[in-house]
Amino acid sequence: QQPVQSPQAVILREGEDAVINCSSSKALYSVHWYRQKHGEAPVFLMILLKGGEQKGHEKISASFNEKKQQSSLYLTASQLSYSGTYFCGTETGGSNYKLTFGKGTLLTVNP
Amino acid sequence: ETGVTQTPRHLVMGMTNKKSLKCEQHLGHNAMYWYKQSAKKPLELMFVYSLEERVENNSVPSRFSPECPNSSHLFLHLHTLQPEDSALYLCASSTRAGRDGYTFGSGTRLTVV
Repeated sequence: QQPVQSPQAVILREGEDAVINCSSSKALYSVHWYRQKHGEAPVFLMILLKGGEQKGHEKISASFNEKKQQSSLYLTASQLSYSGTYFCGTETGGSNYKLTFGKGTLLTVNP
Repeated sequence: ETGVTQTPRHLVMGMTNKKSLKCEQHLGHNAMYWYKQSAKKPLELMFVYSLEERVENNSVPSRFSPECPNSSHLFLHLHTLQPEDSALYLCASSTRAGRDGYTFGSGTRLTVV
């Protein structure tokens, strides 16, 4: 069952912050986050494993609430290069072979 | 270039044609995946190969036939497709544990006419 992402789309001005959420009805083993720019391949951002781990990558960080089966991606002081569609992929049951993706969140950063 | 190369980038085929999509990686990964990406739909997992053995077949119609001759190459053979099969087909690879994420290719944009 696919995870649910929210919001579906968000428009920011450069320098503003955004939060993208990903929730699942099933117990999660890990959550992946990817960004895809138009016409390009999805690019891996980070993975969060069961245990409530928080990770950071430049000004992009994420958290994983195992009890709520939710993950959130935080983008701070957004840059124009952050524009794209963000996908979360969730793994249940400890098998990395069945990563199920959400529908994506379209992020647009304007000057 | 991501390290995963897909060819061709674009393909137009008739419903009675037979064609193949190719994916190649030299990242040392030993798991490879086919995903289908359609407009307004999430990425759909089609097939997974781990160490050249198919470990997942996600209820994909038999008109799609995967082949993994070695850990660096993955093919998707297509025959008698339907117009609704038009989509972006993405190949990805990872280590078996997958803890460094998936590396995706740029995809093949398939149009069935």
